[in-house]
Amino acid sequence: EAGVVQSPRYKIIEKKQPVAFWCNPISGHNTLYWYRQNLGQGPELLIRYENEEAVDDSQLPKDRFSAERLKGVDSTLKIQPAELGDSAVYLCASSFRSGSKYNEQFFGPGTRLTVL
Amino acid sequence: GQNIDQPTEMTATEGAIVQINCTYQTSGFNGLFWYQQHAAEAPTFLSYNVLDGLEEKGRFSSFLSRSKGYSYLLLKELQMKDSASYLCAVKSGQNFVFGPGTRLSVLP
Repeated sequence: EAGVVQSPRYKIIEKKQPVAFWCNPISGHNTLYWYRQNLGQGPELLIRYENEEAVDDSQLPKDRFSAERLKGVDSTLKIQPAELGDSAVYLCASSFRSGSKYNEQFFGPGTRLTVL
Repeated sequence: GQNIDQPTEMTATEGAIVQINCTYQTSGFNGLFWYQQHAAEAPTFLSYNVLDGLEEKGRFSSFLSRSKGYSYLLLKELQMKDSASYLCAVKSGQNFVFGPGTRLSVLP
């Protein structure tokens, strides 16, 4: 079974440029998470999707970040324009529907973003 | 508010036992998870506790006390490959709140 797929794995851009990250979750997983992980810290939730609906985007900086999950499968996270402080690893994770107490998350390999 | 604390770094010797502690204060509790994360890799699931007590899985065990807001991960017979960061995460509502992670270095 294929795991969570993310691309690109690495991205280097100049500040003020746009950037987009793509995630393909594990087949059948309804719930999709985007996290940001700064060096030496734990992942911080940006947005959670249940199917195509963004059910929690309270931590997403909406002035420059946007996300979509068309058809409830693949998802794209965009930053426009990027700032120096956006340099981090962006992790995508998926799980079965989050209604039950136990549902293990499976993480993708992440996209390491460097903003110069 | 949500707060999860873990030691920043720990060092142990190959073959030894190490205990990584985690304390949490969250607005909801639907279980506590431990993840292992090697450098430049994604976190991988290690264990899950929702009831008080000890869960054992091979060389790894995890303990939970909900009344104390406390958990620990116990690693036995340490191997060099166990050098990694260990993340404590609480499922609060339907979201996962992660601690800062504990970087474990296993020395020969």
